[in-house]
Amino acid sequence: EAQVTQNPRYLITVTGKKLTVTCSQNMNHEYMSWYRQDPGLGLRQIYYSMNVEVTDKGDVPEGYKVSRKEKRNFPLILESPSPNQTSLYFCASSLSEGTDTQYFGPGTRLTVL
Amino acid sequence: SQKIEQNSEALNIQEGKTATLTCNYTNYSPAYLQWYRQDPGRGPVFLLLIRENEKEKRKERLKVTFDTTLKQSLFHITASQPADSATYLCALTGDYGGSQGNLIFGKGTKLSVKP
Repeated sequence: EAQVTQNPRYLITVTGKKLTVTCSQNMNHEYMSWYRQDPGLGLRQIYYSMNVEVTDKGDVPEGYKVSRKEKRNFPLILESPSPNQTSLYFCASSLSEGTDTQYFGPGTRLTVL
Repeated sequence: SQKIEQNSEALNIQEGKTATLTCNYTNYSPAYLQWYRQDPGRGPVFLLLIRENEKEKRKERLKVTFDTTLKQSLFHITASQPADSATYLCALTGDYGGSQGNLIFGKGTKLSVKP
C-alpha cells in the first residue's frame, strides 16, 4: 500500500530534550516536506527536500533540523524543544515538485512541557 | 503581501443540500489550485486539482471552479451527506516570481452536514 508513515504518533517530552520524528514513504517520491499545524494558523511548512542530500527552509524553520540521506526517509529533529513547538506535525511527499499533489502522513502530536 | 482566505471558518448545512466553500487569494498568480479534505487528527487527503486554464473540474459529487480574474475558487459538494463533514483546505502554488514554487495552504473551512 502506498503510504507515508510517521513515528511516533504521539509524544510528550520536556523542554530541552532532543527528539526525532521519523518519516518514511514507499512511493519513490523525490519531494518530501514537513508541516506543522496550529489552531488558527493552518498548515505551515517547516523544511522541504527536493531530493537526496538537498534540503531547504520553509516558512517556519527555526528550532528544527532535517536530513535526507535516503530517498524514502526524511526525519525531523528538534535539538532543544521548547513549549512553542507543541503542535501537530505532518510529513508529506510528492512525485517531483512541491507543487505536485501532496501525500500526507497520519500526523505526530507533540507536546513539550 | 500574499494572502489566501477561505471565507468561512465553519459552514453548517442540511443533508442533501449543496455545500459551497470559497477560497480567495491576493497577490498570487497560481498555476493551479488544489483542494484537500482533512478529518480531525488526520493528515489532509487530496481531492481535486484545477489548472489556471480550466474553468471547472468535476469528480463524482464534487465540483471545483477557478476564476483567475476574480482570484477565487469555489468548491461544491452536491447532495451532501453527514460523512462529508470535515475540514476542507485549498492550496495553491506560490507566485513563481518570488517563491519556492511550493504549495501554500489556506486555513480551511470546517463543514458540518446535519442529518
